[in-house]
Amino acid sequence: DIQITQSPSSLSASVGDRVTITCRASQTIRTFLNWYQQKAGKAPKLLIYAASTLQSGVPSRFSGSGSGTYFTLTISSLQPEDFATYYCQQSYNTLRVTFGPGTKVDIK
Amino acid sequence: EVQLLESGGGLVQPGGSLRLSCAGSGVTLSNYTMTWVRQAPGEGLESVSVISSSGDGGATLYSDSVKGRFTISRDNSKNTLYLQMNNLRAEDTAVYYCAKNHPFGGPFDYWGLGTLVTVSS
Repeated sequence: DIQITQSPSSLSASVGDRVTITCRASQTIRTFLNWYQQKAGKAPKLLIYAASTLQSGVPSRFSGSGSGTYFTLTISSLQPEDFATYYCQQSYNTLRVTFGPGTKVDIK
Repeated sequence: EVQLLESGGGLVQPGGSLRLSCAGSGVTLSNYTMTWVRQAPGEGLESVSVISSSGDGGATLYSDSVKGRFTISRDNSKNTLYLQMNNLRAEDTAVYYCAKNHPFGGPFDYWGLGTLVTVSS
C-alpha cells in the first residue's frame, strides 16, 4: 500500500494566521490526493480533492497544491471554526485508499 | 439531500459478531463505490472495506487487519450497505463510518455519522 506522511503532527496558530500542512506519499500518486477536516466527535468533511479542487461549499480560504509525492494544504486566514484535525488521503487506487496520520490545529 | 445513516454498533465480547448497516437516502448506493472507514479512539482514519459500484462489478476489498473476518455487502432493494464483522478483537474497537465515493473516484464526499463498536469482555 502507498504510505502517507503528514507534517506537522500538530500546530498552534492564531485567528488570521496563514497555515500550511504538508503531505508526502511513498510513491508518485500524480494528483490523486484529497484533504479532509474533522472536528471532535464528527465525521470527516471533504475539503479538497484531486490535490487542488475545492469541494462545493468549502470556503475559498482553503487551497491545495502539489503533484507526484509532495502536497500542501493552505488556510490563508485561519478562522475560529477551522480549529480541527486535518487528514490527507491518497486515492491513486480507488479501492486502496490510505490516509495520513493527521494534523491537529489548535488555538495558540 | 444525500444522507447516510449507520446502525448496529454496540458492545460485544472478543470473538463475537456484529453486523453494521448503512442506509442511504437521497442517493442510490449501488451507483457508487462505498467504503467502511474506522477510527479507533484518539487515532486516525483507516479504510477497512470497500465495494465498487454495481456498474463496476461490485468488487470487494479488505484491509489486511480485517481480511477473513469482515464481509462487506449491499442490498440494492433496501439501498443499504452492510459490514458483517466476525471474530472481533479488542483492536477492532472504533467508530465505524460508511462513506460514499465522489463521482470523480477516490475522495469520499459523503459520510455517515458513525456507529461505535466496542469489543471488550
